[in-house]
Amino acid sequence: DTGVSQDPRHKITKRGQNVTFRCDPISEHNRLYWYRQTLGQGPEFLTYFQNEAQLEKSRLLSDRFSAERPKGSFSTLEIQRTEQGDSAMYLCASSLSIGTKFETQYFGPGTRLLVL
Amino acid sequence: AQSVTQLGSHVSVSEGALVLLRCNYSSSVPPYLFWYVQYPNQGLQLLLKYTSAATLVKGINGFEAEFKKSETSFHLTKPSAHMSDAAEYFCAVSEGNAGNMLTFGGGTRLMVKP
Repeated sequence: DTGVSQDPRHKITKRGQNVTFRCDPISEHNRLYWYRQTLGQGPEFLTYFQNEAQLEKSRLLSDRFSAERPKGSFSTLEIQRTEQGDSAMYLCASSLSIGTKFETQYFGPGTRLLVL
Repeated sequence: AQSVTQLGSHVSVSEGALVLLRCNYSSSVPPYLFWYVQYPNQGLQLLLKYTSAATLVKGINGFEAEFKKSETSFHLTKPSAHMSDAAEYFCAVSEGNAGNMLTFGGGTRLMVKP
């Protein structure tokens, strides 16, 4: 168990560019979550996957944001036409969902995005 | 809808003193409650969780929290602060919807003075 990993850890981009972040969950975990954390605030839920199915995406911030988990393992979060307001820490978490038991979410170190 | 309020964005204590970080929640159903800690430039680490078992929950590093339904509170305490406890602490609630999505409070930065 190597924990949740995210790549890159830091990204600097210019306004209008597209960026993509990757998350590798704990290997046996079937749920994967994306959160955004702006400076001085708590994380904000964006979307989640159960295996490869994206079951909640209404909280993605705009249609410029999209996420995939094509094989039910790693996931990518893409932001198109970045804006300065997208500057934030993007956190990934994973969990193992079994029946109705509430499972713990384990977080990765995050990707810090700066849009110039 | 679920929400969390953390009273005090900054708390300062002396080393060896009691740590008390406040968290109040709002939930339309019996909630699941969590405390996470975040060190600089790192992700979140789970300290403890309440999932409808014992109301007094013990976590890692000597922290504990008590679920009080009548007060809708889940305050975090530690009897004696250590310098290594300096970090940002987040309280979170889940109603079990949207894949058990977490709603976080704004966080409390704990500073420990020598």
